[in-house]
Amino acid sequence: DVKVTQSSRYLVKRTGEKVFLECVQDMDHENMFWYRQDPGLGLRLIYFSYDVKMKEKGDIPEGYSVSREKKERFSLILESASTNQTSMYLCASRPNGIPPYEQYFGPGTRLTVT
Amino acid sequence: DAKTTQPNSMESNEEEPVHLPCNHSTISGTDYIHWYRQLPSQGPEYVIHGLTSNVNNRMASLAIAEDRKSSTLILHRATLRDAAVYYCILVTGTASKLTFGTGTRLQVTL
Repeated sequence: DVKVTQSSRYLVKRTGEKVFLECVQDMDHENMFWYRQDPGLGLRLIYFSYDVKMKEKGDIPEGYSVSREKKERFSLILESASTNQTSMYLCASRPNGIPPYEQYFGPGTRLTVT
Repeated sequence: DAKTTQPNSMESNEEEPVHLPCNHSTISGTDYIHWYRQLPSQGPEYVIHGLTSNVNNRMASLAIAEDRKSSTLILHRATLRDAAVYYCILVTGTASKLTFGTGTRLQVTL
């Protein structure tokens, strides 16, 4: 089974702190994604990566950065956490191919910024 | 991105079939129709996808209208474990991005 794991299920941070969210997948997928999920807004794409050291902005990249130094690991960084970044963060991975194969999601990290 | 429209919520009795509709009147010829579901406190999981023909897998069936402007996800016998939010998503053939709407919340009762 494909497995996508995220470093924490719950995280509480203070305003202004630097926050790292880690995601690891074990299926050698080329593509990895970070989403945030908020009530009434659905899932929104923050960043994605289609290869090591490659990244592209999604719909809401402001206030976030990402790092992909190894194929299996994709990190989301909040340089200076703010209360409006309180959310559920979901990581996903997907292999290359046609037709577009399904994305596999991790369990999510619920981040609270106080 | 082409948009999908789904009912906010639906209810079903356990052991009965469930038909979850999705309208996508602006679908383009290269768009695949994907369905995901999200169980409580979990990340979304892939259910099924199709292009033009109806599709079956171990989880569900996907019925696609001839003009492709609508589709229906069919759960043949709903169980309590199928209570989730179901998302209908259009994915362009070469794109990676998934655009999730707010989906349909399915309640299953005894």
